[in-house]
Amino acid sequence: ETGVTQTPRHLVMGMTNKKSLKCEQHLGHNAMYWYKQSAKKPLELMFVYNFKEQTENNSVPSRFSPECPNSSHLFLHLHTLQPEDSALYLCASSQGGSSSYEQYFGPGTRLTVT
Amino acid sequence: AQSVSQHNHHVILSEAASLELGCNYSYGGTVNLFWYVQYPGQHLQLLLKYFSGDPLVKGIKGFEAEFIKSKFSFNLRKPSVQWSDTAEYFCAVMGGVYNNNDMRFGAGTRLTVKP
Repeated sequence: ETGVTQTPRHLVMGMTNKKSLKCEQHLGHNAMYWYKQSAKKPLELMFVYNFKEQTENNSVPSRFSPECPNSSHLFLHLHTLQPEDSALYLCASSQGGSSSYEQYFGPGTRLTVT
Repeated sequence: AQSVSQHNHHVILSEAASLELGCNYSYGGTVNLFWYVQYPGQHLQLLLKYFSGDPLVKGIKGFEAEFIKSKFSFNLRKPSVQWSDTAEYFCAVMGGVYNNNDMRFGAGTRLTVKP
């Protein structure tokens, strides 16, 4: 158990649905991240929050909307997704937002868009 | 462009064989380097990391990695693999000339160890 939990673990949604992914870290970290893991591709960083402030948005389509109400919780709001958005979505946290800290990952949410 | 390359997509070994997984990066400047492992159905876990000091880094479960700055490489090694090492292995890099705080991952290497 890494101290980073994600819910739900599996999600199937239609292209017109709205859903949210939740991440919670119990490690006292100050930075949180969303990644997308697709088959045979490197992990893609989507969003970075450092002390609740978004510091990175790697050209992610607006159908993905992050929210970080506090340093322990991170959400990814999904709406009007496309089938190519099907992937494993990973949340991670680190002590700080610099390159000096390793990241701790949650188990991921397996998303299928139909 | 800054990138991380893992040369082997799938490696198949028998138990007790030696393992070396390649990782190269294209960053200039000072970097921090990581190897993560993802066992089937489990989350990504840190195997080892290099920030500074001795370029030969020892991690968990008998793994080690060597940072060779001149070759921009951080290869992962294990002298004798076990069936339980079957997993996907990811190399990751942070830092560089642009002080990039993003953790950039390679595409991963799937290791299958036959009993």
